[in-house]
Amino acid sequence: KQEVTQIPAALSVPEGENLVLNCSFTDSAIYNLQWFRQDPGKGLTSLLLIQSSQREQTSGRLNASLDKSSGRSTLYIAASQPGDSATYLCAVRVPNDYKLSFGAGTTVTVRA
Amino acid sequence: GAGVSQSPSNKVTEKGKDVELRCDPISGHTALYWYRQSLGQGLEFLIYFQGNSAPDKSGLPSDRFSAERTGGSVSTLTIQRTQQEDSAVYLCASSLRLRDEQFFGPGTRLTVL
Repeated sequence: KQEVTQIPAALSVPEGENLVLNCSFTDSAIYNLQWFRQDPGKGLTSLLLIQSSQREQTSGRLNASLDKSSGRSTLYIAASQPGDSATYLCAVRVPNDYKLSFGAGTTVTVRA
Repeated sequence: GAGVSQSPSNKVTEKGKDVELRCDPISGHTALYWYRQSLGQGLEFLIYFQGNSAPDKSGLPSDRFSAERTGGSVSTLTIQRTQQEDSAVYLCASSLRLRDEQFFGPGTRLTVL
């Protein structure tokens, strides 16, 4: 069974600082990995999808890396802003399954 | 907007009542997924549909839960004889095909009194 862990559970940084969010998974034979953002009381917004054959994906200030051999992905958010405050979730899909296995998330607070 | 929509956004019900939660996927998406998010359990997968077919129902928590999808579009998740432990946010997602990027709706917050 795929276990997904996100550390830390919560993070508070001053505006302008770069954010580094970690995700680890137990089974390295993944199909893809997806990073989501969730605002309080809202659904999930997809941020980045990394296929198993890729090492990283970038979108604006966001960059996600994937190291399958070590079972890790890292989401970098450059020059954080108060609007980046949210919970960030990573989710993994294994090859012969269609569900996403989620981590518990990292709640980020960016202080103005 | 062309995103995934869910209704109702909030549902308060009494223990023992039946509830129906609805999901409208993105137009053209053939795959649809239901998840549940609760405080103690995080996000857990319930069921997926490819077209109108749900090949694997093992993720449903009990036989009080059922789901159907009609016309390859709208899906309904039904919970019979609701219990307090059913209180959670029920999220629906869709993808163009199975294994593609999943897009989530805003969720239905279910509270069982």
